[in-house]
Amino acid sequence: QVQLVQSGAEVKKPGASVRISCKASGYTFTSHDIIWVRQAPGQGLEWMGWINPNTGGTGFAQQFQGRVTMTSSTSINTVYMELSSLTSEDTAVYYCAREGGLTWFDPWGQGTLVAVSS
Amino acid sequence: QSVLTQPPSVSAAPGQKVSISCSGSSSNIGDNYVSWYQQLPGTAPKLLIYDNDKRPSGIPDRFSGSNSGTSATLDITGLQTGDEADYYCGTWDTSLSVGVFGGGTKLTVL
Repeated sequence: QVQLVQSGAEVKKPGASVRISCKASGYTFTSHDIIWVRQAPGQGLEWMGWINPNTGGTGFAQQFQGRVTMTSSTSINTVYMELSSLTSEDTAVYYCAREGGLTWFDPWGQGTLVAVSS
Repeated sequence: QSVLTQPPSVSAAPGQKVSISCSGSSSNIGDNYVSWYQQLPGTAPKLLIYDNDKRPSGIPDRFSGSNSGTSATLDITGLQTGDEADYYCGTWDTSLSVGVFGGGTKLTVL
């Protein structure tokens, strides 16, 4: 079955960077974009950006421009999201999801908790 | 502040029907399909509705979606206690060139 499996929880200090992986299985990896979404504690979903695993093309929400990098490795069907210059406001659960169409995402990864604390 | 506006909470009794609204603008809902997601406590979001009114396989027909201009609605009939969750609408904003979500609606089944 189609599945996305993310890397484990991270604890980081302010100013550090974090890299999260998202490994896909059960479908042709290069046929679908992957998006990243985050959810701060008790808050809603925030769309961060997308990556085309085939071309490496990316697009990001303005609030993350210059601070986020998304890459892919087609040899191991994995995409990565790196967020730098972390602050406490980046504490959240980060999800990857497969883009089925421009406006819908399925399935989602299980989520990765990133806690930023001094 | 979310680009799409949802009511913070709705509630209804088991067996009843509830509707969750999602209001946007001409550059998002008015120009693109809407999807809906269910997020049970402590879990990842799950796709319920895509392309305004289509259900993925395995989603019961108790869940239905509709779209009218710059607003969309998720209807849930025959409410069950297991439907208690947060529900999010989502779409693409053509002007901003980003994906957008509503702020989420917490459904309580009394």
